[in-house]
Amino acid sequence: AQKVTQAQTEISVVEKEDVTLDCVYETRDTTYYLFWYKQPPSGELVFLIRRNSFDEQNEISGRYSWNFQKSTSSFNFTITASQVVDSAVYFCALSEGETSGSRLTFGEGTQLTVNP
Amino acid sequence: KAGVTQTPRYLIKTRGQQVTLSCSPISGHRSVSWYQQTPGQGLQFLFEYFSETQRNKGNFPGRFSGRQFSNSRSEMNVSTLELGDSALYLCASSQWGLAGGSSYNEQFFGPGTRLTVL
Repeated sequence: AQKVTQAQTEISVVEKEDVTLDCVYETRDTTYYLFWYKQPPSGELVFLIRRNSFDEQNEISGRYSWNFQKSTSSFNFTITASQVVDSAVYFCALSEGETSGSRLTFGEGTQLTVNP
Repeated sequence: KAGVTQTPRYLIKTRGQQVTLSCSPISGHRSVSWYQQTPGQGLQFLFEYFSETQRNKGNFPGRFSGRQFSNSRSEMNVSTLELGDSALYLCASSQWGLAGGSSYNEQFFGPGTRLTVL
């Protein structure tokens, strides 16, 4: 059975601090996809990144970076020089291979608050 | 490309009533999934439709149902509403593909329908 764990329920930082959100996943499939979404107070889930299980390259997009490590089943997300606009709930999610359809299993989410 | 649209955005119903929510996926996406989000249970998968067929189903009672039309638009229906059905209902539009020799799975969400049951 697939499972995603985000151990940090809430994180509070001061603007310009770096912050890392942890995500640990469990799956029996060798082909799977990992996602990060941002949910601002409006409620919409905003797509940030996806990774398939065969691509362990880390990725950087502006102030955002992601560290995918299959050896530890982790897909962590770092925000560099955080800003107040980064305040939101962040979800990590897992989808197994195509034969399993598009079903996403979400973590519990991490509420990030960036204070000015 | 237009994003995922969901209607209505807000809905207030009373216990015992039924409700129908609509989702229009991104053009070209053939899979639509529905999720329920509540403070206590988080984001939970309801069901997925692909080419007008239900492909996956989560652990929800039979009061929750859905369908998909030939244009990939999807509706979900909740009958005999209960107070606990108050939630944000999110629809995801999905597509599988190949890029650079590697498979990918796109999943984009709509803005959600916030349902309040009184």
